[in-house]
Amino acid sequence: DQQVKQNSPSLSVQEGRISILNCDYTNSMFDYFLWYKKYPAEGPTFLISISSIKDKNEDGRFTVFLNKSAKHLSLHIVPSQPGDSAVYFCAAWNSGGYQKVTFGTGTKLQVIP
Amino acid sequence: GAGVSQSPRYKVAKRGQDVALRCDPISGHVSLFWYQQALGQGPEFLTYFQNEAQLDKSGLPSDRFFAERPEGSVSTLKIQRTQQEDSAVYLCASSNDARVPSGYTFGSGTRLTVV
Repeated sequence: DQQVKQNSPSLSVQEGRISILNCDYTNSMFDYFLWYKKYPAEGPTFLISISSIKDKNEDGRFTVFLNKSAKHLSLHIVPSQPGDSAVYFCAAWNSGGYQKVTFGTGTKLQVIP
Repeated sequence: GAGVSQSPRYKVAKRGQDVALRCDPISGHVSLFWYQQALGQGPEFLTYFQNEAQLDKSGLPSDRFFAERPEGSVSTLKIQRTQQEDSAVYLCASSNDARVPSGYTFGSGTRLTVV
């Protein structure tokens, strides 16, 4: 059972435009959410996170939005740059349980110059 | 070291062989995680250590999988009698505080191919 879902396996965006990556989760015990970025042949690197007590968190060009009632979060990248081309993983965590981060299947973002 | 180091980077094993994958965490990091990433999938949790104690091994898919961290530093993931479905990238992550998942540092992984 996939508790964290990323339904779009890939996304192409023009440089300078907004990239929107979506993620849904099913486990209501998750209270902390993360986005990781992964380049080929490298491990995932942390990008941005959000606690369930917030509905938005911003860090430079990256903003994560959380809609708890819909169990949905999204990552916005504005403006998109070619160096943003990578696989993005949504991940979720239950701070009250074991320290196990649950990942989605990833979305491959291509930013076209 | 500066990052999490995993070796070998690539491993090809014949079905039925035993393999051992090594993870060198960042010096001083007490928490260590192993994840398995199959092709086209996200990383899936295998096991978690705090120092030398294995606190969670709920993700290990079968008793052919065994992980250890005897001195609380280097960890080894061993897979006995490998099967084709074991083909995946095995990722190791370390952290100085498991309660802060944004602080996890991942290695580049070991790509295991079972033929």
